[in-house]
Amino acid sequence: LAKTTQPISMDSYEGQEVNITCSHNNIATNDYITWYQQFPSQGPRFIIQGYKTKVTNEVASLFIPADRKSSTLSLPRVSLSDTAVYYCLVERSGSARQLTFGSGTQLTVLP
Amino acid sequence: DTAVSQTPKYLVTQMGNDKSIKCEQNLGHDTMYWYKQDSKKFLKIMFSYNNKELIINETVPNRFSPKSPDKAHLNLHINSLELGDSAVYFCASSQNYRDNEQFFGPGTRLTVL
Repeated sequence: LAKTTQPISMDSYEGQEVNITCSHNNIATNDYITWYQQFPSQGPRFIIQGYKTKVTNEVASLFIPADRKSSTLSLPRVSLSDTAVYYCLVERSGSARQLTFGSGTQLTVLP
Repeated sequence: DTAVSQTPKYLVTQMGNDKSIKCEQNLGHDTMYWYKQDSKKFLKIMFSYNNKELIINETVPNRFSPKSPDKAHLNLHINSLELGDSAVYFCASSQNYRDNEQFFGPGTRLTVL
């Protein structure tokens, strides 16, 4: 299953756009990319999922290039409450379900 | 209403003891999971059940045994606890095994002394 690599930490300021990139060089044809957010002492929370190109929802966008070997989570205009750990997850669906979380990126939003 | 709940929230025990962690989801989902998060925040899948059937069984010690009495419950029993078992254990559920959106519980912090 594809191993994922993310930056350990990132800092940003309130109101800025934040882009967190995850690399997954060995991604397979039937793998999906999912991002989760985790606050201290809580379970991860689903943010967004995609297969290719661009996906947007009310909280984030996910950009996946044609080769799908990386993906970028984009958070528009972050606030202090976006300070959390963000995980990239490669999921292989189907009868042989496999899940690999990345090591997570600690995003700290500064005032 | 709590969608995915775990009990207990904290568990402190001695090496060699046997303990269980319970998980319940009221979302009507078919698939449930157990994850282990270590001190470095690395999140690793342990088991997954779909409609009470084991579908993911990662390489974990035999001391760990999941049990699913019904599709709303997935319990984790750990025998002969070791210091390295200290971690936060998360339960999660998804609508079915093809659904990639998982809903996580609040976690159980296990400390083995």
